[in-house]
Amino acid sequence: NAGVTQTPKFQVLKTGQSMTLQCAQDMNHEYMSWYRQDPGMGLRLIHYSVGAGITDQGEVPNGYNVSRSTTEDFPLRLLSAAPSQTSVYFCASSKGAHGYTFGSGTRLTVV
Amino acid sequence: DAKTTQPPSMDCAEGRAANLPCNHSTISGNEYVYWYRQIHSQGPQYIIHGLKNNETNEMASLIITEDRKSSTLILPHATLRDTAVYYCIVRVGALDNTDKLIFGTGTRLQVFP
Repeated sequence: NAGVTQTPKFQVLKTGQSMTLQCAQDMNHEYMSWYRQDPGMGLRLIHYSVGAGITDQGEVPNGYNVSRSTTEDFPLRLLSAAPSQTSVYFCASSKGAHGYTFGSGTRLTVV
Repeated sequence: DAKTTQPPSMDCAEGRAANLPCNHSTISGNEYVYWYRQIHSQGPQYIIHGLKNNETNEMASLIITEDRKSSTLILPHATLRDTAVYYCIVRVGALDNTDKLIFGTGTRLQVFP
């Protein structure tokens, strides 16, 4: 039982490049979310999903796409990276009213 | 927008109880109160949650007022490892198709020797 696994842990992108941040959970959780955390700030919700095939926007969705084709995976896509997307990205999952379990984060720098 | 208000920072002596307050005056009847903490730049860690009754687990106790407009997280014997940012969160739409966690700015707890 690995919990929530995020890859990669670190990434440097050039402006305009695209990439996908991976998130996988092996706990059969229905709910999954992506957050970003800028230095000295709290977490802001990007996108979330309440089950396979269902996604919705959070507080700061612009510049990001998501899909949920399986219960286990919830990838986050940056189509054209911008310096403003430099941040730490956290994925989280939950089942029912239980607390969300967070991954260890992906530290992304866009130059 | 976050539906909670917390003090930005608090101090606590090691071994003493840390009482972290949270106001959530607009909470709805079916919304849960959750507490998380974040140590350095790690992923947030779940601590405890409750609906209207007081709750206790191996990490902490949660006291919710009768009108549910505020709550207090209690760490009974704070240690240096409890130094972290603590987030009080009202979970919107728990158990239905709008479920999501919206974080506020949290309380930075500093435990000193």
